[in-house]
Amino acid sequence: QKEVEQDPGPLSVPEGAIVSLNCTYSNSAFQYFMWYRQYSRKGPELLMYTYSSGNKEDGRFTAQVDKSSKYISLFIRDSQPSDSATYLCAMSAEGGTSYGKLTFGQGTILTVHP
Amino acid sequence: DARVTQTPRDKVTEMGQEVTMRCQPILGHNTVFWYRQTMMQGLELLAYFRNRAPLDDSGMPKDRFSAEMPDATLATLKIQPSEPRDSAVYFCASGPGRPDTQYFGPGTRLTVL
Repeated sequence: QKEVEQDPGPLSVPEGAIVSLNCTYSNSAFQYFMWYRQYSRKGPELLMYTYSSGNKEDGRFTAQVDKSSKYISLFIRDSQPSDSATYLCAMSAEGGTSYGKLTFGQGTILTVHP
Repeated sequence: DARVTQTPRDKVTEMGQEVTMRCQPILGHNTVFWYRQTMMQGLELLAYFRNRAPLDDSGMPKDRFSAEMPDATLATLKIQPSEPRDSAVYFCASGPGRPDTQYFGPGTRLTVL
């Protein structure tokens, strides 16, 4: 079993829909939680970052972390065709040689159709 | 606009050939990562350097893969000999050491025939 599990989808939604993307993890040492967005034939780019538990909002995007359940979510409100991409969750432990080392989920392919 | 650069962008080679991929990290970043991305496995960490010293290469097949940082402006990933199962997109990323600040390059798409 992988340390980070993410449903690869694909997920197809109409423009304007609310999108929910999720990851579960098994390593209780993870403290840093990231969401990356990757467009076709491009490198991943950081979208959201949360430290420990809680919520973070940035425009149409909201990231949630529930450490007690080892579950993280990314919500996209009023989704747009330009949001069509692969979304990857990533996590990192704190301290030591693991600091800064990211473990990624499989990635979820999202398509928002007009 | 500082960014990570990778060369070549695409590489097609035959089984058994040596492949060298290069990465120029963002100036001032002290951590460099090599990842491999496939449809089946997703994004996997191959090697991780901090201040040019290798910290973790547990994800890398040691018999055929090697990663080095000859200087602060260049990281290399070599595969010798290459095999068809090495076909993937290889990404380099750099950062100042914090988990929330890794910047990825555009990747090298490797096809081994």
